[in-house]
Amino acid sequence: ETGVTQTPRHLVMGMTNKKSLKCEQHLGHNAMYWYKQSAKKPLELMFVYSLEERVENNSVPSRFSPECPNSSHLFLHLHTLQPEDSALYLCASSQEGTNTGELFFGEGSRLTVL
Amino acid sequence: TQLLEQSPQFLSIQEGENLTVYCNSSSVFSSLQWYRQEPGEGPVLLVTVVTGGEVKKLKRLTFQFGDARKDSSLHITAAQTGDTGLYLCAGTWGNMLTFGGGTRLMVKP
Repeated sequence: ETGVTQTPRHLVMGMTNKKSLKCEQHLGHNAMYWYKQSAKKPLELMFVYSLEERVENNSVPSRFSPECPNSSHLFLHLHTLQPEDSALYLCASSQEGTNTGELFFGEGSRLTVL
Repeated sequence: TQLLEQSPQFLSIQEGENLTVYCNSSSVFSSLQWYRQEPGEGPVLLVTVVTGGEVKKLKRLTFQFGDARKDSSLHITAAQTGDTGLYLCAGTWGNMLTFGGGTRLMVKP
């Protein structure tokens, strides 16, 4: 069983669709993250849930909505996306309090918006 | 915003060659990590360096943290095709983790 599991691995959606990305971690960590990875750009932090408290990046458009029902599960709800939102969305987890910020990533969900 | 610049952005070499990639910043980091990301996968942590001047070795990979904790290097000896991937450095500053843009390495047989 892998540490961090993401589903689906690939998603194609139209701009009017509503879809969700799912992430599950089996490492007993207490922090979970959504990152966006686009071509030719550094990894962009979108959202953090730390000790079940949400820390938000204010530059993320409202068409992305995270949900963290418990410390093991994280969702990213997608609504009326734009073609420029096409990217690899990576989920990660970590154990807060280590002061090193070491992240354990899932394999990513490749999103294409038509 | 703490920025990490990685160089080179792209590197294509033959199997058996040595290479060094760099991660530089104007900021002092409390720790720095190196990740490798293979095509179709998420990044995987290779190493964390914490102390200025620290050197860590992982088989054919040698990681060094600069004395001032503003830069780091990754040296690969006798590269193999399995080393192909995107190498990312990430620096910790307070509670923030900042990623560099990555070095995409291609090792040809």
